[in-house]
Amino acid sequence: DAKTTQPPSMDCAEGRAANLPCNHSTISGNEYVYWYRQIHSQGPQYIIHGLKNNETNEMASLIITEDRKSSTLILPHATLRDTAVYYCIVRPRGNTGKLIFGQGTTLQVKP
Amino acid sequence: NAGVTQTPKFQVLKTGQSMTLQCAQDMNHNSMYWYRQDPGMGLRLIYYSASEGTTDKGEVPNGYNVSRLNKREFSLRLESAAPSQTSVYFCASSEVGGRVADTQYFGPGTRLTVL
Repeated sequence: DAKTTQPPSMDCAEGRAANLPCNHSTISGNEYVYWYRQIHSQGPQYIIHGLKNNETNEMASLIITEDRKSSTLILPHATLRDTAVYYCIVRPRGNTGKLIFGQGTTLQVKP
Repeated sequence: NAGVTQTPKFQVLKTGQSMTLQCAQDMNHNSMYWYRQDPGMGLRLIYYSASEGTTDKGEVPNGYNVSRLNKREFSLRLESAAPSQTSVYFCASSEVGGRVADTQYFGPGTRLTVL
């Protein structure tokens, strides 16, 4: 299974863009990149996912490099409510849909 | 539409006691999952059910059993609780059993303490 590497923590000023990097250099061609976040012990929340093209939804944008070895989650205008642990996950092969969570990045949005 | 619900929200057990954590989803999802999260750690998969009638082990299945009662409900049982099972337990569900990229929806969690 492809593994991911994320910085343990990041800070961001409120109203600015938060750019969260993720390295997944061993990703396979049929594996997707998912981002989830977990706000203060609540259940994780899905943010966005992609295969090779950049993706955008109402919450965030996902930029995947051309070689697919890394990606960046962008929260365009971070708010205090975006303070959370952000998980970058590469979905394992197989038909199970299970997710393997790493340590994630703790994003602290500061006023 | 409540999404994924879990009961109970909190539970304290003594070592050796048994209990069942309940999970239900109202999104007509095929797949359901049980995770545990220890303090300061990411989630780890205990068991999953790709579809009604099937269950499979995840990363940390020892000490647990599961039952996919029907399409809506997926329960997790601790037969003889141990302090190492003190954790927050999350249930999740997803629409497709894995053939295409799908997203998982999580419940609010059950906070279990084993003394």
